Amino acid sequence: QKEVEQNSGPLSVPEGAIASLNCTYSDRVSQSFFWYRQYSGKSPELIMSIYSNGDKEDGRFTAQLNKASQYVSLLIRDSQPSDSATYLCAAHYSGGGADGLTFGKGTHLIIQP
Amino acid sequence: DAGVTQSPTHLIKTRGQHVTLRCSPISGHKSVSWYQQVLGQGPQFIFQYYEKEERGRGNFPDRFSARQFPNYSSELNVNALLLGDSALYLCASSFRSDSLGGELFFGEGSRLTVL
Repeated sequence: QKEVEQNSGPLSVPEGAIASLNCTYSDRVSQSFFWYRQYSGKSPELIMSIYSNGDKEDGRFTAQLNKASQYVSLLIRDSQPSDSATYLCAAHYSGGGADGLTFGKGTHLIIQP
Repeated sequence: DAGVTQSPTHLIKTRGQHVTLRCSPISGHKSVSWYQQVLGQGPQFIFQYYEKEERGRGNFPDRFSARQFPNYSSELNVNALLLGDSALYLCASSFRSDSLGGELFFGEGSRLTVL
């Protein structure tokens, strides 16, 4: 049973600070990892994907993957009120068949002006 | 360019009824996936179709079925509705079905309420 665990929050961060979101996954066969942002009442939107160990930066976002520790994180620099949303971590394994994404429950992030 | 479109956006059914949800993927995307999202939870994988063939199925009962048409649009069918089927049903498309197939583009969803 593949599981993705996230702290549901809420995580409250002052505007301009770094928001750090964390995620662990249970199986060692997951190959790729994703962060989706979901605003209240809206559908998820892909913000980052990461496939290999290390850091991946895109603008104010940095995703970090440590496969040995089965740990994924997302850092948001210079946090803005518009970053307030639920952040969903997802793992994907595709080997032989398509299992789809396994999502965590999401972390609710609040950026305080 | 149009994104993923889903219909209907909202619907109310009673227990025991049947529902069909429809999805049109982004032009050029051959993979369509369906997810169920219950309030306060992350989306849960139901099906993936690629090139009109079922490529994956999540842990859902046989009351759930789907298909993909030659134009890559898709339908999700749920029979014998239960109260617990009340959820947001999300359709997502992607260009490929392998490990990069996790880069999904979601539609706005169909919110199903079962009374």
